[in-house]
Amino acid sequence: KAGVTQTPRYLIKTRGQQVTLSCSPISGHRSVSWYQQTPGQGLQFLFEYFSETQRNKGNFPGRFSGRQFSNSRSEMNVSTLELGDSALYLCASSLDYGVQGASPLHFGNGTRLTVT
Amino acid sequence: AQSVAQPEDQVNVAEGNPLTVKCTYSVSGNPYLFWYVQYPNRGLQFLLKYITGDNLVKGSYGFEAEFNKSQTSFHLKKPSALVSDSALYFCAVRDIGPGSARQLTFGSGTQLTVLP
Repeated sequence: KAGVTQTPRYLIKTRGQQVTLSCSPISGHRSVSWYQQTPGQGLQFLFEYFSETQRNKGNFPGRFSGRQFSNSRSEMNVSTLELGDSALYLCASSLDYGVQGASPLHFGNGTRLTVT
Repeated sequence: AQSVAQPEDQVNVAEGNPLTVKCTYSVSGNPYLFWYVQYPNRGLQFLLKYITGDNLVKGSYGFEAEFNKSQTSFHLKKPSALVSDSALYFCAVRDIGPGSARQLTFGSGTQLTVLP
């Protein structure tokens, strides 16, 4: 079974631009979560989607948004990029979410975003 | 609010010796607990989880963890460390108590180095 696929692997953007990151979950997984990983802040939760609906959201500004499609694929968008947005963005999929939440997350290898 | 603490940023151990990576958590209800490992430039890989039942949980690659409710701890252990175990380890908790956010919250990570 194919794992979680994130594209692109690397991105370099300029301050003020916007960016869209893509995530394809493991086949059959309906929950997709996004995390931002930085050396200073560690792993910070962005949002979680299940069946095309956002179920949970972390403490990030509105510049960070996401969506999930009917095939469970997900995208996240960051508008008006800032230098501090430079990070590894990780997507993870699982069978369930929230209350059920016993299934582990399966992570992709991430998208490394550099903002200059 | 739920939180996870990994008190050691760095753990060094000699190959063949037992290893322990510490984790404590705080939740309002009952926890689901997880351990993940991250190798350089890769996503996180699931090692093991505690949901309910036996307090000693066995996982991948010979790792195990013990759930201690009174001490709110979930330390990761391995009887005999390998050089290939050197990586970044994350503890994570999901609070399934009523009214909780249910998102998976990660600790700050512990860099394990196994010395040959």
